Amino acid sequence: QVQLQQWGAGLLKPSETLSLTCAVYGGSFSAYSWSWIRQPPGKGLEWIGEINHSGSTNYNPSLKSRVTISVDTSNNQFSLKLSSVTAADTAVYYCAEARYWGQGTLVTVSS
Amino acid sequence: DIQMTQSPSSLSASVGDRVTITCRASQGINNYLAWFQQKPGKAPKSLIYSASSLQSGVPSKFSGSGSGTDFTLTISSLQPEDFATYYCQQYNSYPLTFGGGTKVEIK
Repeated sequence: QVQLQQWGAGLLKPSETLSLTCAVYGGSFSAYSWSWIRQPPGKGLEWIGEINHSGSTNYNPSLKSRVTISVDTSNNQFSLKLSSVTAADTAVYYCAEARYWGQGTLVTVSS
Repeated sequence: DIQMTQSPSSLSASVGDRVTITCRASQGINNYLAWFQQKPGKAPKSLIYSASSLQSGVPSKFSGSGSGTDFTLTISSLQPEDFATYYCQQYNSYPLTFGGGTKVEIK
């Protein structure tokens, strides 16, 4: 059974960089693409981007200039960095692969 | 970007009711359509992929249908544990996009 566990800072100031990491346990890390998805409080889901085991990425154009997703295949982990955050980036951030989701991290941006 | 439009945005139903949720894509998505269920404070759960294939472990009361641009999720007999928000998602082309969600509430 595949499990995703994520962690990272939950409170940021405007202009700082959001940084989250997701570890994948069980299953085959190299078989899938791994995504980051976010959900502002009380709102719907927004796909941020994805990466595969070889490091190939796809990003949402709406965030592309600020997003970097990277992979650490030796530890079956992948990470999200989102630069220059504002209050509009306040959301629950999930790591996911369609069937498997992390527990979510609430990231609040406030001065 | 492909826009995904769900309807209704919310509905009230009783236990035992048959419920249908619609998702329309702004262009054809080759049946690369998934449905998710989300309960308050929880991560979404995958129900259906490829428009009509049930994920392992998902009860058969859930079914998906449709093709091209128009898709539906049906719950055959609503149970208390099914009250949640449901999202469709297209994964035919980047960026992947979600519908706005349908909140299923108790009547």
